[in-house]
Amino acid sequence: DAGVIQSPRHEVTEMGQEVTLRCKPISGHNSLFWYRQTMMRGLELLIYFNNNVPIDDSGMPEDRFSAKMPNASFSTLKIQPSEPRDSAVYFCASSPGREHEQFFGPGTRLTVL
Amino acid sequence: EDKVVQSPLSLVVHEGDTVTLNCSYEVTNFRSLLWYKQEKKAPTFLFMLTSSGIEKKSGRLSSILDKKELSSILNITATQTGDSAIYLCAVGDYGQNFVFGPGTRLSVLP
Repeated sequence: DAGVIQSPRHEVTEMGQEVTLRCKPISGHNSLFWYRQTMMRGLELLIYFNNNVPIDDSGMPEDRFSAKMPNASFSTLKIQPSEPRDSAVYFCASSPGREHEQFFGPGTRLTVL
Repeated sequence: EDKVVQSPLSLVVHEGDTVTLNCSYEVTNFRSLLWYKQEKKAPTFLFMLTSSGIEKKSGRLSSILDKKELSSILNITATQTGDSAIYLCAVGDYGQNFVFGPGTRLSVLP
């Protein structure tokens, strides 16, 4: 298995632009998590899905952030409009279920100028 | 609000030393505690602990959970330079919410 796949690996954009991050979970995993990691705040859970349904999005910083999971093999995290303070590494992770550990993707390093 | 605290935040040792990393938590409806190792990129899974007092072991690494004290320790014996990383503790509740601690940055000098 290729593991969790994220794209792009790096994204540099200007303030105000829309950014879309993509994630393909491990096949057969029914839970998917989006995290953001910064030096100041560490690793923060933004939102997680169970069987494609968003369960808890209380970690999403504000309305500029939205996430979707249209099917079991694909999820997106969108930021519109982006701001410099959104610069971070965004990780997607998937899990076979709540009894199991999460497997992390390689992350997307986002820089908003 | 759920909270995970790790100590120390940073640690420098020499190869061959033994280290103990601490994680304590305040979580409603605790379900599991996980340890991850993060080197340059994504965190990689080490242990998942759900029951108190049962040690989990993998090579030179071991971990144990104390639900009474709301804490866990991660031990690394005979440290090697390859153990240098950030060690993250995360706690999950029955809602499948996970909260990560700030991590302990371990540096092992040759």
